[in-house]
Amino acid sequence: GAGVSQSPRYKVAKRGQDVALRCDPISGHVSLFWYQQALGQGPEFLTYFQNEAQLDKSGLPSDRFFAERPEGSVSTLKIQRTQQEDSAVYLCASSLAGRGFHVSPLHFGNGTRLTVT
Amino acid sequence: AQSVTQLDSQVPVFEEAPVELRCNYSSSVSVYLFWYVQYPNQGLQLLLKYLSGSTLVESINGFEAEFNKSQTSFHLRKPSVHISDTAEYFCAVSGPSGGSNYKLTFGKGTLLTVNP
Repeated sequence: GAGVSQSPRYKVAKRGQDVALRCDPISGHVSLFWYQQALGQGPEFLTYFQNEAQLDKSGLPSDRFFAERPEGSVSTLKIQRTQQEDSAVYLCASSLAGRGFHVSPLHFGNGTRLTVT
Repeated sequence: AQSVTQLDSQVPVFEEAPVELRCNYSSSVSVYLFWYVQYPNQGLQLLLKYLSGSTLVESINGFEAEFNKSQTSFHLRKPSVHISDTAEYFCAVSGPSGGSNYKLTFGKGTLLTVNP
């Protein structure tokens, strides 16, 4: 596609429900990132994939958060037993580079706005 | 650890006025610096970046930012803004080559509102 696509655009979940957020990166992009953006805050790093390998998951807030990219393209961020503090916009970004990210720009999707009630 | 401080959460200006959006960072190592822009209902887009060399960097739409190492700042400026510049602007930093340079640390953002 022309850009990074995220779905759904909006998600409302009741506390305790599981959710799955999808990211379709730009075709051929090696690197994929998830960021979390709480209201009034800047995006915060969650996790990083290089192809199908999850090289860094240090930003995931708890073991309720799980991300995968099994075939090195589409990625899913799953949140189990959602809590109110999980309410945020979840951003996906991809990059052509496998390293040297300061040279190869990040392309961000429009995000999924998750509201936990 | 790195951190970014954007000193103004909101900046209202009139069309054709100059604007400066302030950004300060803290890091124990040399860094790369970025400004991203988020227009309403759109994703983040890279506006400009400083990697090395000339401390003044420019974007294609008239913005510029100057890296000041002694003041650990990377303020964004435009001499004359347009209504279409209304957006949220994020300053970000990443580490140098090697290590976890893939991680961006963002500021909280500055909402620039250009009024007619």
